[in-house]
Amino acid sequence: GAVVSQHPSWVICKSGTSVKIECRSLDFQATTMFWYRQFPKQSLMLMATSNEGSKATYEQGVEKDKFLINHASLTLSTLTVTSAHPEDSSFYICSARDLLGGRAYEQYFGPGTRLTVT
Amino acid sequence: GENVEQHPSTLSVQEGDSAVIKCTYSDSASNYFPWYKQELGKGPQLIIDIRSNVGEKKDQRIAVTLNKTAKHFSLHITETQPEDSAVYFCAASRADYKLSFGAGTTVTVRA
Repeated sequence: GAVVSQHPSWVICKSGTSVKIECRSLDFQATTMFWYRQFPKQSLMLMATSNEGSKATYEQGVEKDKFLINHASLTLSTLTVTSAHPEDSSFYICSARDLLGGRAYEQYFGPGTRLTVT
Repeated sequence: GENVEQHPSTLSVQEGDSAVIKCTYSDSASNYFPWYKQELGKGPQLIIDIRSNVGEKKDQRIAVTLNKTAKHFSLHITETQPEDSAVYFCAASRADYKLSFGAGTTVTVRA
């Protein structure tokens, strides 16, 4: 149980275009999802916290108008990278909390999405 | 915010030996300390975690210890195997559930 999926697993887009990444909790309801970015050989950095039915909260230094987050249902959150540039190329990972599963403090991570902007 | 430091950055061990990774955290309000294993191109996988009301936890070959007074926690892997080779991350979170990650340790188990 507690499986999180991401789609796509990898994407290549041209500079200036937008790309959407989906994060789904497959077998539980996730009122809170988190989005992380990981550059090569570096750690995970929290970008934003996504709460179902409300606006996302962004970490300091993360542009909310560039990284649009929507959490429209209890099983789906999306991250849209707008006007992507090569410096946005990274590994994007989502995680979700299962409030009803008895381990509300645990985050279940998705497999990640590799974004390459050319 | 929370600052988590992790050492060493790389660790090479002979198969069958033990591996130890250490982390320190800055915020005394942190109350949850998970450890993740990440293989190349994949998302992190939880391998063990500990909450602040416990000092030690063990799961087969893996154990974690927590010293709240010193604000440090450690991962111990015994009888290492080649499949233990990966990058390991420690993390800490407070009541807001936001995770702060250490810089990671690349573990190589030599056959």
